[in-house]
Amino acid sequence: DTAVSQTPKYLVTQMGNDKSIKCEQNLGHDTMYWYKQDSKKFLKIMFSYNNKELIINETVPNRFSPKSPDKAHLNLHINSLELGDSAVYFCATRGQVPHEQYFGPGTRLTVT
Amino acid sequence: RKEVEQDPGPFNVPEGATVAFNCTYSNSASQSFFWYRQDCRKEPKLLMSVYSSGNEDGRFTAQLNRASQYISLLIRDSKLSDSATYLCVVSSGGYNKLIFGAGTRLAVHP
Repeated sequence: DTAVSQTPKYLVTQMGNDKSIKCEQNLGHDTMYWYKQDSKKFLKIMFSYNNKELIINETVPNRFSPKSPDKAHLNLHINSLELGDSAVYFCATRGQVPHEQYFGPGTRLTVT
Repeated sequence: RKEVEQDPGPFNVPEGATVAFNCTYSNSASQSFFWYRQDCRKEPKLLMSVYSSGNEDGRFTAQLNRASQYISLLIRDSKLSDSATYLCVVSSGGYNKLIFGAGTRLAVHP
């Protein structure tokens, strides 16, 4: 049973399109995150939600909008996709062991 | 200056070798420290937390020097399965914001 799952695993789309990535966790954790890992493998936090409330919002273009319908889900919607948005996007949750984070398998987004 | 800096690697070592990775961080208010491991095209996974007193988990030993803002990871008796990218991670702030280093790639060969 997958603890943190993401859909889709791969996403290929054209510039200008709008797309969503979904994340679900069955660990009962209160805090969830979105990270972006670019082509240089640098992993950077984008957003964090705690119990459906946005608590971290890094300097991310407002084309990116996270939404948390409930504690188990954190989705990421991206408008007007650009070439530079191509990356792997990871969802993560924070566990009970202080500060340990569990990552989903990632969504590889390619914008053409 | 990057918030978390690591040796970029790659480190190419034979099986059985001992290898050490270093990491420095810039925010003296950082509270928690970790090493994560990331296999090719996979998600990062926690390898171990790092404590001021130093800690060991089997073949892996982590050290933290708060005064120098320096973290290290030592791997003894390297196995082929240790081949991966090792990410130095620092946490700060009440919301557990993790700052990742760019990672150090390790390749263990027979």
